[in-house]
Amino acid sequence: AQKVTQAQTEISVVEKEDVTLDCVYETRDTTYYLFWYKQPPSGELVFLIRRNSFDEQNEISGRYSWNFQKSTSSFNFTITASQVVDSAVYFCALSRITGGFKTIFGAGTRLFVKA
Amino acid sequence: GAGVSQSPSNKVTEKGKDVELRCDPISGHTALYWYRQRLGQGLEFLIYFQGNSAPDKSGLPSDRFSAERTGESVSTLTIQRTQQEDSAVYLCASRSGTGAYRAFFGQGTRLTVV
Repeated sequence: AQKVTQAQTEISVVEKEDVTLDCVYETRDTTYYLFWYKQPPSGELVFLIRRNSFDEQNEISGRYSWNFQKSTSSFNFTITASQVVDSAVYFCALSRITGGFKTIFGAGTRLFVKA
Repeated sequence: GAGVSQSPSNKVTEKGKDVELRCDPISGHTALYWYRQRLGQGLEFLIYFQGNSAPDKSGLPSDRFSAERTGESVSTLTIQRTQQEDSAVYLCASRSGTGAYRAFFGQGTRLTVV
């Protein structure tokens, strides 16, 4: 069975602080995709990143960075120098590659960035 | 279309009535997903369509829930005899059969059962 756990329900930081959102997953598949999505107050989900399970290279995009560690089944997301506009709910997701690309989401982490 | 379109954006219904929620995926996207998001909760998978294959209905919570999709076009999620616990935002997403495998989400239908 597949499962995605985001243990942090809510995080509150002050602008310019760095913040890391944790994601731990379970799957029996040897190949899979991992995603992060952002859901701002408007409600629409915004794609941030996709990671293949066979590529453990970490990735940085501006203030965002992702640390994928297959050995610990974790795919953590760090925002550097957070801004008020980063306030949103962030979802980690796991997608099968075989068997139909069914995507399972974590419960989400609500991030509050205060000015 | 340019994005995934869902209608209505808001729906208030009386307990016991049936409702239909509509999703227009991005043209050419072969995969379509329905998710449910209760207030303050994560996304709960409901059903997945991929081309002409049999849909994956493993997430439907009860037999009151059903969904249809004609070919690679519009999908309708139907909830019969609605209950208050059905109140949630219902999100639709579509994905291309090739390429980045990322899903594009609609803005959702907020369903309130009173």
